Amino acid sequence: AQKITQTQPGMFVQEKEAVTLDCTYDTSDPSYGLFWYKQPSSGEMIFLIYQGSYDQQNATEGRYSLNFQKARKSANLVISASQLGDSAMYFCAMREFLSGTYKYIFGTGTRLKVLA
Amino acid sequence: DTGVSQDPRHKITKRGQNVTFRCDPISEHNRLYWYRQTLGQGPEFLTYFQNEAQLEKSRLLSDRFSAERPKGSFSTLEIQRTEQGDSAMYLCASSLGGEVRREGQGEQFFGPGTRLTVL
Repeated sequence: AQKITQTQPGMFVQEKEAVTLDCTYDTSDPSYGLFWYKQPSSGEMIFLIYQGSYDQQNATEGRYSLNFQKARKSANLVISASQLGDSAMYFCAMREFLSGTYKYIFGTGTRLKVLA
Repeated sequence: DTGVSQDPRHKITKRGQNVTFRCDPISEHNRLYWYRQTLGQGPEFLTYFQNEAQLEKSRLLSDRFSAERPKGSFSTLEIQRTEQGDSAMYLCASSLGGEVRREGQGEQFFGPGTRLTVL
């Protein structure tokens, strides 16, 4: 079974609109972390936002917010007021602590295109 | 520049040759990770160091791959007898880790990657 699933290979959004990128996860670690990264065409991975499994509130960082639904094991990224510069690949990742070490697992990504 | 750096940025080699990549993490970070990313995919975990100790090694890492972090600072990833299937972007990341209960974010900061092409 996939540990991190991103079901949207590609998404389009109109500039200034909001967009939600989906991510579901699976783990047996009770204390895990969820991350979203942005990878522009230049290739660097840019950290966007983090949600801890015990966090009571949804994480927010500027225009990014994470819709964390623990019971459904989903951690969707919401980008508000999309900008042209938001066009990139977006990866959801999970950190879990299993067998005495930390493991980071990435999804396959969603390519977002913001339209002018 | 206090970010993660990788060298070289690009490497073209012939099949069968050995290659070595270097990663310099953020100086205060005790954890260092290597990933491989192929086109259209997310990063795949290869190996992970806490200080100088290599704590985890993926099954993806064949015997031709070896990584070191001799003084707990920079790390090298060597691929021996390269194959065309090794062509990929090799990413290094570092993070600051603490106790499990106070792990906090522990987000990884990535370097720009080394793009390997095996002819």
